[in-house]
Amino acid sequence: DIQMTQSPSSLSASVGDRVTITCQASQDISYYLNWYQQKPGKAPKLLIYDASNLETGVPSRFSGSGFGTDFSFTISSLQPEDIATYYCQQHDYFPWTFGQGTEVEIK
Amino acid sequence: QVQVQESGPGLVKPSETLSLTCTVSGGSISDYYWTWIRQPAGKGLEWIGRIFSTGTTNYNPSLKSRVTMSVDTSKRQVSLRLSSVVAADTAVYFCARERIAVSGTSALDFWGQGILVIVSS
Repeated sequence: DIQMTQSPSSLSASVGDRVTITCQASQDISYYLNWYQQKPGKAPKLLIYDASNLETGVPSRFSGSGFGTDFSFTISSLQPEDIATYYCQQHDYFPWTFGQGTEVEIK
Repeated sequence: QVQVQESGPGLVKPSETLSLTCTVSGGSISDYYWTWIRQPAGKGLEWIGRIFSTGTTNYNPSLKSRVTMSVDTSKRQVSLRLSSVVAADTAVYFCARERIAVSGTSALDFWGQGILVIVSS
């Protein structure tokens, strides 16, 4: 299986801060990488698909980049409603696998 | 707006079979993959497998010997069966639609709220 390693596991930032999460794949996955947001007690929500494409209806403060094995996800200006756990997911090789998640908190 | 709803028993005894149903409304079940994902309490997401509307399946090798998925397009339902369950199968189980782009890439764009299944005697 392809291992997806997210960093950091958790972070605390102030409202308005720029927040970046990284995701590293154990082998080349091209751009087959999605990002999801999961709030407590809720299902994950698709934010970014194919590494850098913003899902319809998702605020533009969310963005993604990367190719191959190294990817990043950025919130340009953290908002209180962004408190959640964020997951990367590869869809290049079966089984699809997720990163372990990054919990984002407000400082 | 597509809506996805999981249903089934919330408690299953060890060694028995977990059976869940995913009902789709507000959109077509055809031409999409329907994916099952689970999440143990406080932990990350595990992909169980997926089924296309025609019945084609892909399963996680770690669960393949115990998993069966089926689809009933007339009822707009997808089903998951997981046999010989153990305590480690206790989790919230999600059903999600997987859209496939012309390029072949995919994304899980509509999710159910999830259903907690506890394996215990």
